[in-house]
Amino acid sequence: NAGVTQTPKFQVLKTGQSMTLQCAQDMNHNSMYWYRQDPGMGLRLIYYSASEGTTDKGEVPNGYNVSRLNKREFSLRLESAAPSQTSVYFCASREDRGNTDTQYFGPGTRLTVL
Amino acid sequence: AQRVTQPEKLLSVFKGAPVELKCNYSYSGSPELFWYVQYSRQRLQLLLRHISRESIKGFTADLNKGETSFHLKKPFAQEEDSAMYYCALRTGGGNKLTFGTGTQLKVEL
Repeated sequence: NAGVTQTPKFQVLKTGQSMTLQCAQDMNHNSMYWYRQDPGMGLRLIYYSASEGTTDKGEVPNGYNVSRLNKREFSLRLESAAPSQTSVYFCASREDRGNTDTQYFGPGTRLTVL
Repeated sequence: AQRVTQPEKLLSVFKGAPVELKCNYSYSGSPELFWYVQYSRQRLQLLLRHISRESIKGFTADLNKGETSFHLKKPFAQEEDSAMYYCALRTGGGNKLTFGTGTQLKVEL
């Protein structure tokens, strides 16, 4: 099992450019999440998807859109990148066994917006 | 609204010394708390959850509802404990976790 995979690992964008961050998991999890990690801010939830076909806003959704393409894949799109979106982005999926809340994280995408 | 506070950005201890990483939470319902850890060049991963009352890698954490705290403790720090530690709160019935800002633990020889 590869677990949670993310592409790309690194990306540099110019202000106003768009891009999509890809995430996939092979653990048959229903729930998937996108976080951003910034120094001094910890991890903040951008969007999440409790199941295929559903998405909900998290704490910091402005400037982002998501697509839950199927059970495996959950993508994050920046339509018009801004320097404030410079961050490390993590995708995660949640094990749905009983009442457990283990989230499994991807390796992250380091995004710089100039 | 729920909130998780980790007051220390950086905690530096000597090898063999006791470690305590502080975590306080604010939540009106029945909380479920977790510690996640990120070692250098590795993924963020679950360390322990309060509901399991387990000890992982020598670390323990007790939920104190009176003080709204969930501090992470280890009696003797090891060099391999150096990492970023995040406290997280699951709000009852929800699918989401609220993370604290993290504490970087550095264990010095």
